[in-house]
Amino acid sequence: AQSVTQLDSHVSVSEGTPVLLRCNYSSSYSPSLFWYVQHPNKGLQLLLKYTSAATLVKGINGFEAEFKKSETSFHLTKPSAHMSDAAEYFCVVSPFGNEKLTFGTGTRLTIIP
Amino acid sequence: EAGVVQSPRYKIIEKKQPVAFWCNPISGHNTLYWYLQNLGQGPELLIRYENEEAVDDSQLPKDRFSAERLKGVDSTLKIQPAELGDSAVYLCASSLNGGASNNEQFFGPGTRLTVL
Repeated sequence: AQSVTQLDSHVSVSEGTPVLLRCNYSSSYSPSLFWYVQHPNKGLQLLLKYTSAATLVKGINGFEAEFKKSETSFHLTKPSAHMSDAAEYFCVVSPFGNEKLTFGTGTRLTIIP
Repeated sequence: EAGVVQSPRYKIIEKKQPVAFWCNPISGHNTLYWYLQNLGQGPELLIRYENEEAVDDSQLPKDRFSAERLKGVDSTLKIQPAELGDSAVYLCASSLNGGASNNEQFFGPGTRLTVL
């Protein structure tokens, strides 16, 4: 069985300040982990993915995430928030080598001007 | 390169009516997925196709939902009859070759269904 828990349903940060979106996972297998972003009226877009290579993963738009097996976490960070980062973010898990994705419930990121 | 195309983008129907959603995946993508996204939730897989074969439909409510991908390209998802609880966003995604560990799924914008 596999699941992800996104610890915050809503995060608000000021423009130019760091972003931290938290995700814990549970998986019976060595997992692949992903972060997707969903802007209003647009399709889900892959930000980054971890597939058992480097534990620090860099993605698009300045985002990165660190896989910590001891903490079963895969938190998403960005050093400086931009207004265009306002969106819904989903943490996703799948068994390694399997394309079946299990999504978290999402974190809505609001950027304060 | 065109992304995953879905139509219609929005649909409002009365309960007990039928409804159909259409998806055209990215050209060359063999694997096609239909997801259901309820308000405030993450997407949940309904069905996965490898070419024209449905290889995982375990989460598809077969009493009222059906899907087809006859020529292994575009796909249709149907609900008949629709119920109030079916109001949600229906997402289509495609990938080049399902099963690869580094395979990326590309999502369409979704169809927002409202059942009155």
